[in-house]
Amino acid sequence: LAKTTQPISMDSYEGQEVNITCSHNNIATNDYITWYQQFPSQGPRFIIQGYKTKVTNEVASLFIPADRKSSTLSLPRVSLSDTAVYYCLVGDRGSSNTGKLIFGQGTTLQVKP
Amino acid sequence: KAGVTQTPRYLIKTRGQQVTLSCSPISGHRSVSWYQQTPGQGLQFLFEYFSETQRNKGNFPGRFSGRQFSNSRSEMNVSTLELGDSALYLCASRRQENPEAFFGQGTRLTVV
Repeated sequence: LAKTTQPISMDSYEGQEVNITCSHNNIATNDYITWYQQFPSQGPRFIIQGYKTKVTNEVASLFIPADRKSSTLSLPRVSLSDTAVYYCLVGDRGSSNTGKLIFGQGTTLQVKP
Repeated sequence: KAGVTQTPRYLIKTRGQQVTLSCSPISGHRSVSWYQQTPGQGLQFLFEYFSETQRNKGNFPGRFSGRQFSNSRSEMNVSTLELGDSALYLCASRRQENPEAFFGQGTRLTVV
C-alpha cells in the first residue's frame, strides 16, 4: 500500500478555506485517495474519495493532479467544529482488500475563533 | 438507520485477564474491521472479517483474535492482557464494493 505524508498540524481561523495536502509518490494505478476526519474519542468519519481531477461533495473538495502523486483536501469556510484530525489514505477501492485501512499520522487541524 | 454499535464503551481490566469486545455493524454490511488506536502508534489495523471468515490480518500477536457470526456481528478477544493493550478499540463496517467504512464510537480499554 502506498505510503502517505501529511503535515502534522495546521492552524486556521473561522471562515477561512483550509487546504491540506497529502503526498503519495508511490500510488498505484488501481489506488484511490480517501480522506477521513476524526474527533477526539470518536471513530473516524469518511469525508471524500477520488481517483483523479476534482471531486466535490457537500462537505469538501478533493483535488488530484494528473500525476496523482499528491492530493489536496479543501474545506471551505471552516468553523470551530471542523477542529479534528484529518487522515489521507491510499488504497485499492473496490476489491476485497479495502476492508483494511492503513492510517498515517494524520493532520491535526486547529480552527481558532 | 442505526450506526455501528460497540459495547461496552469503557472497560477496566487487570493485567493477565482476558477481554471480549463486541461490534454490531450497520444492517446489510458484511465486512467488519477492527482497529487499535493509541497515542503512540496511532490507528492500527487488527483484522477484517467478511461472511464469518477472516480475510485480512494486521501485525498483532496471537493474543488478539476475533470472530464474526452469521448475522455479521463481530467480537474481538484479547487474552493475557498487558498494560500496553490499553487503547481505544474501534470497529468499522462496510458494504462490499463500497469504499466508505463506518466506524463505531469505540471501546476504551484500560489495563491496570
